[in-house]
Amino acid sequence: DAGVIQSPRHEVTEMGQEVTLRCKPISGHNSLFWYRQTMMRGLELLIYFNNNVPIDDSGMPEDRFSAKMPNASFSTLKIQPSEPRDSAVYFCASSLARSNSPLHFGNGTRLTVT
Amino acid sequence: SQQGEEDPQALSIQEGENATMNCSYKTSINNLQWYRQNSGRGLVHLILIRSNEREKHSGRLRVTLDTSKKSSSLLITASRAADTASYFCATEGNTPLVFGKGTRLSVIA
Repeated sequence: DAGVIQSPRHEVTEMGQEVTLRCKPISGHNSLFWYRQTMMRGLELLIYFNNNVPIDDSGMPEDRFSAKMPNASFSTLKIQPSEPRDSAVYFCASSLARSNSPLHFGNGTRLTVT
Repeated sequence: SQQGEEDPQALSIQEGENATMNCSYKTSINNLQWYRQNSGRGLVHLILIRSNEREKHSGRLRVTLDTSKKSSSLLITASRAADTASYFCATEGNTPLVFGKGTRLSVIA
């Protein structure tokens, strides 16, 4: 298995632009997580899905952030409009939807908003 | 919050020495996990210890868990330069995994 695949690896955009990050989870995994990593705040859980259904989006910082999972093999995280404080590395992770299942992370998307 | 906190924030050792990292958390948990992150990459799962376990081994890794003190430790024996990375503990309870800010380990050849 190729693991969790995220695209793009790097994204540089100007403030106010729309940004879409993409994730393909490991086949057979039915939980998907979006995390954001910064030096100041560490790894923060933004939202997670079980069986394509959003379970908890309380970590989404603002209404500018939205996430979808239209099917079991694809998820997007959208920021509109983007702001410089959104600059971070965004990780997608997947796992089996049961306790004691480890997370498998993608290599992240490094977002820079100027 | 049940966020884990690793200690120390940074650790520098010579190749061949042992490295010990500690993690403290605040609430009851189902399990505690350790992950490793190399620069520019995603986190990789190393080991999971359940709340009813006290010690677990995997190769050169040894993890302990003390639920009465709400703490865990990760020991890497006979460290290698390739062990240089950031190490994170993560706790799973009533919510999905919550990560600490990590310990940055540097192993000098």
